[in-house]
Amino acid sequence: EAGVAQSPRYKIIEKRQSVAFWCNPISGHATLYWYQQILGQGPKLLIQFQNNGVVDDSQLPKDRFSAERLKGVDSTLKIQPAKLEDSAVYLCASSAAGTGDSYNYGYTFGSGTRLTVV
Amino acid sequence: AQSVTQLDSHVSVSEGTPVLLRCNYSSSYSPSLFWYVQHPNKGLQLLLKYTSAATLVKGINGFEAEFKKSETSFHLTKPSAHMSDAAEYFCVLGSGNTGKLIFGQGTTLQVKP
Repeated sequence: EAGVAQSPRYKIIEKRQSVAFWCNPISGHATLYWYQQILGQGPKLLIQFQNNGVVDDSQLPKDRFSAERLKGVDSTLKIQPAKLEDSAVYLCASSAAGTGDSYNYGYTFGSGTRLTVV
Repeated sequence: AQSVTQLDSHVSVSEGTPVLLRCNYSSSYSPSLFWYVQHPNKGLQLLLKYTSAATLVKGINGFEAEFKKSETSFHLTKPSAHMSDAAEYFCVLGSGNTGKLIFGQGTTLQVKP
């Protein structure tokens, strides 16, 4: 079974520029998550999709971050404009189950995209 | 409110000695709890999980954790550390029935030869 694919692996941009990250979850996985992991901290949920609908985006800074999951498969996360504090690893994860069942079915994490804003 | 606290940011052990990584949680619901490991430049890997079955949970690579409701703890242990265990470890709480994971701050495990 192929894992969760993310690209690019690394990205360096200047502040105020825009950037986009892509995630392709495991085939058939209904639920997709984007997490932000700042250096020295644990990952923090940004947004959760079930199929192509948003379940939770309460911690997404909507003035600059946006995400979509068209057709309920792959997903993109965009930052526009970027700030220095957005420097982090952006992790995508997917689960075969919906919402609470994910705790039993499990999650698969991608390797992440490391963003550096200078 | 749901939260996870890892009590040590850094733990150093000698190879062959026991490992103890401490985690406390706060949850309004019956918790689901996990331990994940993250090696440098690698993805997150599940070590073990507790989802309301046996309170002593065995995971991969000789790790185990015990769920103690009275102490709101879920400490991770291993009888004998190996050099390959050096990594970042995260205690993680499942938030209600949302599927959302709440991560602790992480504990860096150093294993000395």
